[in-house]
Amino acid sequence: DAGVIQSPRHEVTEMGQEVTLRCKPISGHDYLFWYRQTMMRGLELLIYFNNNVPIDDSGMPEDRFSAKMPNASFSTLKIQPSEPRDSAVYFCASSRRYGNSPLHFGNGTRLTVT
Amino acid sequence: AQTVTQSQPEMSVQEAETVTLSCTYDTSESDYYLFWYKQPPSRQMILVIRQEAYKQQNATENRFSVNFQKAAKSFSLKISDSQLGDAAMYFCAYRRGQGGSEKLVFGKGMKLTVNP
Repeated sequence: DAGVIQSPRHEVTEMGQEVTLRCKPISGHDYLFWYRQTMMRGLELLIYFNNNVPIDDSGMPEDRFSAKMPNASFSTLKIQPSEPRDSAVYFCASSRRYGNSPLHFGNGTRLTVT
Repeated sequence: AQTVTQSQPEMSVQEAETVTLSCTYDTSESDYYLFWYKQPPSRQMILVIRQEAYKQQNATENRFSVNFQKAAKSFSLKISDSQLGDAAMYFCAYRRGQGGSEKLVFGKGMKLTVNP
C-alpha cells in the first residue's frame, strides 16, 4: 500500500497562472476527496468522487476551480486563473465504500499564489 | 447539516500526563461514524481512532481512548502517558453511515502542546 500520492508537494505561482494539482488514490478505494486547509477556514471539502463520478462539488469556491477523475487511479484539481486567496494546503484523500472506512490522506500540496 | 465543534483551540499537557480533548457534534442521523485525526507539523493527516455510533463500547488504541456519549453527542479523546510526539493538531470528524461512504465533516481542530 503506497498510500495516496499527491504532486507537487509545493507550488508557487503568480496570480493569473493556471495551477494543476495531481492525486493518485489508493488502489481499490471507491471514493476520492479534495480538501482545502487554511488557518481561517480549517479543512473544507471541495469535491468528492465515487467510482470516478463527481458526487458533490458544492464546496468548489468558484468556476475557477475544476476537478476531474478520468480513471480510478488519477485525479486533478485545476485552478484557472489562480488568485492569492487560493493560497492554502490542498489535500487529496481516498477511502473504501464503507462508512467506517477512514479517509487516507496524501501529504498535501502547499500552494502559494503571489 | 452535520456540524462538529471543538471548543478548545489549544491545550497543553506535561509529558507522561493524561489529557482529554473535547468534541461535540450535531446530527439527526442514528447511524454514523466518528474519527480523530492527528496532524503533526509535517502536515500529514493521520488517523488516531474511530468509533461506530452503534457500538456502546468506547474505542481504544494503545494510549488513545475515547469517551463516546451518544445522547450528549460528545466524543472526547483521551491521551494517556503523553509523549512529545503527540504534539500536533487534532481534528474530530463525523461521517454519515447510512447510504455508504460520504464526506468527512471536520471540526476546526485543536493544537496540543506537550511540555517536557
